Amino acid sequence: GAGVSQSPSNKVTEKGKDVELRCDPISGHTALYWYRQSLGQGLEFLIYFQGNSAPDKSGLPSDRFSAERTGGSVSTLTIQRTQQEDSAVYLCASSLGGGIGGGQPQHFGDGTRLSIL
Amino acid sequence: AQKITQTQPGMFVQEKEAVTLDCTYDTSDPSYGLFWYKQPSSGEMIFLIYQGSYDQQNATEGRYSLNFQKARKSANLVISASQLGDSAMYFCAMREPNTGNQFYFGTGTSLTVIP
Repeated sequence: GAGVSQSPSNKVTEKGKDVELRCDPISGHTALYWYRQSLGQGLEFLIYFQGNSAPDKSGLPSDRFSAERTGGSVSTLTIQRTQQEDSAVYLCASSLGGGIGGGQPQHFGDGTRLSIL
Repeated sequence: AQKITQTQPGMFVQEKEAVTLDCTYDTSDPSYGLFWYKQPSSGEMIFLIYQGSYDQQNATEGRYSLNFQKARKSANLVISASQLGDSAMYFCAMREPNTGNQFYFGTGTSLTVIP
């Protein structure tokens, strides 16, 4: 499909394990964003990639969280030594460059629902 | 200071009536974009409407319109002729292309359409 693809759609793992979440953005989109959404809450910004620039990591909650984007396309969000409070839906979005007035919207994937037992 | 403020955690509207969801924003950048997204209970984020800071007219997309009041820094979403399928969370967001293209989201408004 032509949309943002995230995998896995659901992940259940034990506390202390590492997890990797994958995001495949829309082809040609230079910007890629990761968000976390807890049940019934808003979106919490995690990290943002724009082209070849250094990523904006200001939203990562701890050093257990990291992300990379290879070749300006696919991105992987890694959570090490997972904790129960990491349970949430992790959303990935991509967009074209901002343009005048920043008019390019984000297109979201369906998210990965992460549950830490 | 919050970049995006949505002061209505929950709203109710009668089917076929119009409803306004409030959004105010904070920026000193003359160039910015404002967006509204819908998130149904199924979880996907759906882009609804966009308003650019330089746009002279209010944006419209079908039953959605954006009441853009630049001096007041407000970008309220108006949904006309509400339908049961409009029941969802609605998020207002802003993008500042001159300061890194980050998107800032509000905390959302939960809309329930009553039959």
